[in-house]
Amino acid sequence: AQTVTQSQPEMSVQEAETVTLSCTYDTSENNYYLFWYKQPPSRQMILVIRQEAYKQQNATENRFSVNFQKAAKSFSLKISDSQLGDTAMYFCAFMKHVSGSARQLTFGSGTQLTVLP
Amino acid sequence: ETGVTQTPRHLVMGMTNKKSLKCEQHLGHNAMYWYKQSAKKPLELMFVYNFKEQTENNSVPSRFSPECPNSSHLFLHLHTLQPEDSALYLCASSQVAGSEGNTIYFGEGSWLTVV
Repeated sequence: AQTVTQSQPEMSVQEAETVTLSCTYDTSENNYYLFWYKQPPSRQMILVIRQEAYKQQNATENRFSVNFQKAAKSFSLKISDSQLGDTAMYFCAFMKHVSGSARQLTFGSGTQLTVLP
Repeated sequence: ETGVTQTPRHLVMGMTNKKSLKCEQHLGHNAMYWYKQSAKKPLELMFVYNFKEQTENNSVPSRFSPECPNSSHLFLHLHTLQPEDSALYLCASSQVAGSEGNTIYFGEGSWLTVV
């Protein structure tokens, strides 16, 4: 079984600053995917970024980037130039690679990020 | 705008009522999911459907009854619920093959309050 741990229940950052959210996971799988989702007050779960475990290069999406350390089983999210709209609950999630069947996500407990004006 | 639409967005029901949550995906996916999100708990996977066939039931009580008539629609039928069932119920979908299948997309959720 997989576990995902987010050790920071709450964080805050000043607008335009940079913040890093931490995530660690435990798995015996070698082929898997890691995700960061954000859940704003509207409560919709929105995909922020995805990382394939077989790729050494860290994923980036505009102001969002990850630091993926496979050996350490660490997957942190860096948000640059933080904006007020980034205020949300951020969830780290794990999915093992399967073929031809439905996927299953294992979520961490979340980090509530507040961007301060 | 979301490719996964859930209705109703808010539902209040008594413990003796019967109601249903509806989910529709417009992404051409062939797997659909129900998740439960309670306060101060990680998201819990409830049911998984793969090409309309249920492939996962994570020990969910029988007062929750899923139905998947086709790959685009998913229902969660609710009857004789308990107050502790009050939560946000999230529907999601994905492909089951190809690189696009490695991402799950969520709806906006249905807030359920059991009184």
